[in-house]
Amino acid sequence: GQNIDQPTEMTATEGAIVQINCTYQTSGFNGLFWYQQHAGEAPTFLSYNVLDGLEEKGRFSSFLSRSKGYSYLLLKELQMKDSASYLCAGVDSNYQLIWGAGTKLIIKP
Amino acid sequence: TAGITQAPTSQILAAGRSMTLRCTQDMRHNAMYWYRQDLGLGLRLIHYSNTAGTTGKGEVPDGYSVSRANTDDFPLTLASAVPSQTSVYFCASSDSVIGGTGELFFGEGSRLTVL
Repeated sequence: GQNIDQPTEMTATEGAIVQINCTYQTSGFNGLFWYQQHAGEAPTFLSYNVLDGLEEKGRFSSFLSRSKGYSYLLLKELQMKDSASYLCAGVDSNYQLIWGAGTKLIIKP
Repeated sequence: TAGITQAPTSQILAAGRSMTLRCTQDMRHNAMYWYRQDLGLGLRLIHYSNTAGTTGKGEVPDGYSVSRANTDDFPLTLASAVPSQTSVYFCASSDSVIGGTGELFFGEGSRLTVL
């Protein structure tokens, strides 16, 4: 079966760095997305990786290892506004998105 | 720019009643999707449309129907609501015709409670 695993909840301190991991099992693979979702709001796009390696976008970076079925989202210089859920989604061979349940990130002052 | 507009924002519905959730986008995207989001679960695809005039079933289509008469509108209908359809519903669109690799743009969601 197809599956996306990510931690349910994480806590970090303002100004620090946090890494949110995601492992995936999909039938075929056509990339991996990260979305951010603030409570009560819609998900918004953060990143899309299809090749191995790290892609940096400001304070956020996303990493992919296709051989390990693994990705992570790295958030630097954490701000209170980064408190949100982070959704990992893999793209299978039929170009369908397989979503994880999301990781709720709590930022403490 | 409006992007994707959903209505209603919130609704309480008696079991057995019908309901249509509206979704309109102004980005001229070909692909549109309906998801439901439940606590502890990932987004689950209900129905999708890769282009006007075509629709397809997602992971959890039972009890729901959609239509795509034009590019902009993609309504979701519950013919006879049941309590298990209590959820937050998100409409999304993408400019990727084949779906899956294009960034999704989401509406603000419709919170539906079926009693």
